[in-house]
Amino acid sequence: AQKITQTQPGMFVQEKEAVTLDCTYDTSDQSYGLFWYKQPSSGEMIFLIYQGSYDEQNATEGRYSLNFQKARKSANLVISASQLGDSAMYFCAMRGEYNFNKFYFGSGTKLNVKP
Amino acid sequence: SQTIHQWPATLVQPVGSPLSLECTVEGTSNPNLYWYRQAAGRGLQLLFYSIGIGQISSEVPQNLSASRPQDRQFILSSKKLLLSDSGFYLCAWKHFSPKVEETQYFGPGTRLLVL
Repeated sequence: AQKITQTQPGMFVQEKEAVTLDCTYDTSDQSYGLFWYKQPSSGEMIFLIYQGSYDEQNATEGRYSLNFQKARKSANLVISASQLGDSAMYFCAMRGEYNFNKFYFGSGTKLNVKP
Repeated sequence: SQTIHQWPATLVQPVGSPLSLECTVEGTSNPNLYWYRQAAGRGLQLLFYSIGIGQISSEVPQNLSASRPQDRQFILSSKKLLLSDSGFYLCAWKHFSPKVEETQYFGPGTRLLVL
């Protein structure tokens, strides 16, 4: 079975500093994808970044990067130079190769950026 | 480009009343479609997904049902709402593909309050 764990229900970060949001996963699939989504208070879910299980390099998208450690089954999101607009819920999700129609989501981390 | 619509945006319904939430996708064909529910401050619970017209997979046994009468239309229904049905309902779509890198794209959501 697939499982995503986000152990930080809430975090604070000072504006302009970097922050790491933790995500660990459990799967028996050899090929899988890991995703991060941002959910502002408006409720929309915004796709941020993707990491494939066979990707040798960590994914980066602008200020977002993914610290992928396959042996430890972790896929932490790093946000550099935090901005006030980064305050939101962040969800880690996974999709495996065998039941590729389903996404498994973590419980989320609420990030608050302080001015 | 693809867009996804949900309506209504908000809904207040009495216990025991019926429910119908609609989701439509534009700009793509044969998408996978998903219904999620999110309780306040919580993660996403997958309710239903569909890989084609008339094909519905139910993830959680409850008083809700889903239908896909057209390729790009996904409907969530209930004959009698419960208080526990209150929440934020998100529809999502994904390209019909087994590739693990394919992400989901979410609609704006419907906030349902059952009184």
